[in-house]
Amino acid sequence: QLVVTQAPSASASPGASVTLTCTLSGGYSSHSITWHQQQPGKGPHYLMKVNSDGSHSKGDGIPDRFSGSSSGAERYLTISSLQSDDEADYYCQTWATGIRLFGGGTKLTVL
Amino acid sequence: QVRLVQSGAEVKKPGASVKVSCKVSGYSLAELSVHWVRQVPGKGLEWMGGFDREDGETIYAQKFQGRVTMTKDTSPDTAYMELRSLRSDDTAVYFCTTGFSYGYVHDWGQGTLVTVSS
Repeated sequence: QLVVTQAPSASASPGASVTLTCTLSGGYSSHSITWHQQQPGKGPHYLMKVNSDGSHSKGDGIPDRFSGSSSGAERYLTISSLQSDDEADYYCQTWATGIRLFGGGTKLTVL
Repeated sequence: QVRLVQSGAEVKKPGASVKVSCKVSGYSLAELSVHWVRQVPGKGLEWMGGFDREDGETIYAQKFQGRVTMTKDTSPDTAYMELRSLRSDDTAVYFCTTGFSYGYVHDWGQGTLVTVSS
């Protein structure tokens, strides 16, 4: 059974880098995932798709500060040169037969 | 570029039904999979179900089976989500999403707030 796990919170200082993790379990370690950002009071928007080989494809207009990578069953989102408007909830999403699933989201605080 | 425009906020009484629309532009609905996601205030994203263009199947999350119907019209390119027998815990923002590759969400509508209250 597919389970998608994210840490509930993360924090970092302006100008620093942070890496958020999405872990796939239940035999789905080869699946790609998508990352989505939801800023306070707004709807989500697509950031990128991350494949099991670490390649990633970003959405239109997503800055180079955002990148994706993989290791085993883990998929990562790295944000460098953090800015105040990066403070948001970040969700990963993937699929199994008959379902689509979101992780619980990570709330990123830029201190 | 895909653009998704949803219908406006709704207030419903318990037991009623709501039908939310999602107008697609920039691409034809025939080129896209359409799935619906909701977000209860203060909570995370919850997948409800949707239509996959690759296999022509509509699938629903077990939680909503029997209470939700998702449909689409090609003229104009609009998707619909109807949720019946509404309860107060159905109060949420409902999002339509589309995707190009099987299984993955790419674009989002702006969301429709549905409030269920007596």
